[in-house]
Amino acid sequence: KNQVEQSPQSLIILEGKNCTLQCNYTVSPFSNLRWYKQDTGRGPVSLTIMTFSENTKSNGRYTATLDADTKQSSLHITASQLSDSASYICVVSDGGYQKVTFGTGTKLQVIP
Amino acid sequence: DADVTQTPRNRITKTGKRIMLECSQTKGHDRMYWYRQDPGLGLRLIYYSFDVKDINKGEISDGYSVSRQAQAKFSLSLESAIPNQTALYFCATSDSSPPTQYFGPGTRLTVL
Repeated sequence: KNQVEQSPQSLIILEGKNCTLQCNYTVSPFSNLRWYKQDTGRGPVSLTIMTFSENTKSNGRYTATLDADTKQSSLHITASQLSDSASYICVVSDGGYQKVTFGTGTKLQVIP
Repeated sequence: DADVTQTPRNRITKTGKRIMLECSQTKGHDRMYWYRQDPGLGLRLIYYSFDVKDINKGEISDGYSVSRQAQAKFSLSLESAIPNQTALYFCATSDSSPPTQYFGPGTRLTVL
C-alpha cells in the first residue's frame, strides 16, 4: 500500500529561526512529489513540485529537496515568519491526480 | 483560492438527511475532485471528474455521489448522512500540464 509519512507531527519554532520538515514515502511508481501549505480553515496551496529528476526546488524562503533513491523529501523554511504557521502536507503521485497519496502533515507554529 | 468556491462553508445536519455540497471554479480546468480531510489523516479522494462526461470513484466513494453539471460545477451529495461523515470537505481543480491542484476553501460538515 502506498504510504506517505511526515515528521515531526508538530513543531514550534521562534520567529526568524530555520526549520526542516521530513517526508518519507513508499509510493511506486513515482511520478512527482509536492509540498502544500494549509493555513487553518483554508484549502492547501501548492508550494513546490518535483519530479524524480529534480533534487531541489525553491519557492522564496521554502526549499524542497528530493532523494528518489531513498524515497525521502524535506522542506526547509528559512528565516521563519509568523505567517509560516500552518500545516505542511507532502503529496506523492504515481502518475496522475487520481493516484495521489497525501501525508498527514506537519503542523508548524512560529512564535514571536 | 478565490478561483475555486465552495458552498456552504459550514453545515450542521442530522443523521439520515440528504445534503449537497457545491463547488464552482473559474479557472477553466477540466479536472475536478472531491476530498475529505479528517484529523490525523491525510486528504482522501472521494470522486474525481476529468470532464463533464467522466466521473470516477476515488478511494472512499461509499455513501457519496457526485454530479458534474458543467465544466465549472461539481457537486457532492450525501444521500443519507451519517455521523462518521463529519469532516472537512475540499473541492479541487487541476490543469493537466503541469498537474497542479487548486483547492477551494473547504466545507466543514457536522452530522449529528
